[in-house]
Amino acid sequence: GNSVTQMEGPVTLSEEAFLTINCTYTATGYPSLFWYVQYPGEGLQLLLKATKADDKGSNKGFEATYRKETTSFHLEKGSVQVSDSAVYFCALSLPLQKTSYDKVIFGPGTSLSVIP
Amino acid sequence: DGGITQSPKYLFRKEGQNVTLSCEQNLNHDAMYWYRQDPGQGLRLIYYSQIVNDFQKGDIAEGYSVSREKKESFPLTVTSAQKNPTAFYLCASRTMGAGGPYEQYFGPGTRLTVT
Repeated sequence: GNSVTQMEGPVTLSEEAFLTINCTYTATGYPSLFWYVQYPGEGLQLLLKATKADDKGSNKGFEATYRKETTSFHLEKGSVQVSDSAVYFCALSLPLQKTSYDKVIFGPGTSLSVIP
Repeated sequence: DGGITQSPKYLFRKEGQNVTLSCEQNLNHDAMYWYRQDPGQGLRLIYYSQIVNDFQKGDIAEGYSVSREKKESFPLTVTSAQKNPTAFYLCASRTMGAGGPYEQYFGPGTRLTVT
C-alpha cells in the first residue's frame, strides 16, 4: 500500500547546525510530496511541496528535492534557529481513480528541538 | 483574514456523552476534512467532504458523524460509540479542480478530553 516513513525523533540540534530529516515513501502512481510543520498546540502549516520528480521545494531556508529513483523527499536546512523547533510531517498526495479527491497520507512526524 | 476556525480549543466531556466539534472556513474551499492526531502519531482521516450535502468515510470513521449543510461549515460529532475519543482533532480544507494537487489548510485544532 501507500505509505510514508520518516526518521524517528526527537531530534535535538544546537542553533546554526545543519538539519536533515529523512522521508521515504511507497506509492503506486506519481504522488505529489509535501512537508508540513506543526508548532506546539497549533494546526499544521504547509512548509514546501514538489509535484514531480527532480522538483525542489523551498521555503524559509528549508529545501527538499523529489527523488523518484530513491523514493525520497528529505528535508534540509543549512542553519537552524530556535524558532524552528516544531514537529515536521512528510506527506504524499495521490489522486484516487474516478474522483478528484486526492488522498493524503502523512508520516508519523519528527519532533525537532533547537537549543541556543 | 481568510482561514479556518475551530472551536473550542479545549473540550472536556464525560464518557457516554456525544460532543460536537466546530469547523468553519471562509476560504471558499470546496473540500473539507477531519483528522485525528494521537501523541507521536501522524494524522488519520476520519471523514471528508467535497461538496455540500455529501461526505465520505475516511480510515477511522467508526464512532464519528459529520454533516455538510453549508460550504463553510463541517462539524464533527464524536459519539459515545467512539471507544477512545481523547485526542487532538484537526479540520482542514482545500480548493479543488484542475491544476492541483493543492495543499490542505489546517485549523488550530481542538483538544478533546473524555473522562
